Amino acid sequence: DAMVIQNPRYQVTQFGKPVTLSCSQTLNHNVMYWYQQKSSQAPKLLFHYYDKDFNNEADTPDNFQSRRPNTSFCFLDIRSPGLGDAAMYLCATSRGAGQGGSPLHFGNGTRLTVT
Amino acid sequence: GNSVTQMEGPVTLSEEAFLTINCTYTATGYPSLFWYVQYPGEGLQLLLKATKADDKGSNKGFEATYRKETTSFHLEKGSVQVSDSAVYFCARRANTGGFKTIFGAGTRLFVKA
Repeated sequence: DAMVIQNPRYQVTQFGKPVTLSCSQTLNHNVMYWYQQKSSQAPKLLFHYYDKDFNNEADTPDNFQSRRPNTSFCFLDIRSPGLGDAAMYLCATSRGAGQGGSPLHFGNGTRLTVT
Repeated sequence: GNSVTQMEGPVTLSEEAFLTINCTYTATGYPSLFWYVQYPGEGLQLLLKATKADDKGSNKGFEATYRKETTSFHLEKGSVQVSDSAVYFCARRANTGGFKTIFGAGTRLFVKA
C-alpha cells in the first residue's frame, strides 16, 4: 500500500543535541509537510516543500530546518533542541497546485522527548 | 483570514448515542472541507471530505454536509461505538493557490460502553 513512513516512532535527545527525523513516501506526491503537534492540539505547520521549493512558515523558529533530497524523502533537523520542542512531529504529503480537494496523508509521527 | 472553528471537547457519550461535532469555516474562496480523525499515538487519518457546496462526505457511518449558506461542515454519526473514541479535526483547504490546510482545534470524543 502507498503510504507515508516516519522513523523513528520515538526519539529521545538531550537538550541542545542536534536531532534528525525522517519521512518517506510512496505516494509520489509533490508536496511534503512537517507539522508539530503538542498534546492533541491542532497540528502546527512548520514548513512545506512543493517539489524542491521550500516554504517556511513565518513563525517557525530558525532552530528548525528541513531537507528534501528527492521526491520520496524529507528530513526535519532540529539544530539545538530545547525542552519546549518536545512534541509529536508529523510528516504529511498531498498533491499540489489546483488540487485543493486532495487530502493530506499523514505518517504515524515521531514523538520527540528532550531530556 | 482563513479559519476553522469547532466545538470544544471533550465530548462524552454512551455507546449507540448520536454524535454531532460542530464545525464552521471562513468563507474566503471556495475551500474543500475535511474531517480527520486521530487515534491515540497515531497520525491523523482522513475520515471524509467534501469539495463543493451541498456535497455530503461519508465514511464508517460518519457524515458531514458542506453547507455554504451557514458556512458549516458538522460531523454526525447515528450510533457511536467505543472504538470511535479519538480526537476529530475539522479542516479546510483552498481550491486555488496555496497548499496550506487550516485545522480546527480538535474535539476529543470519549465513548463509554
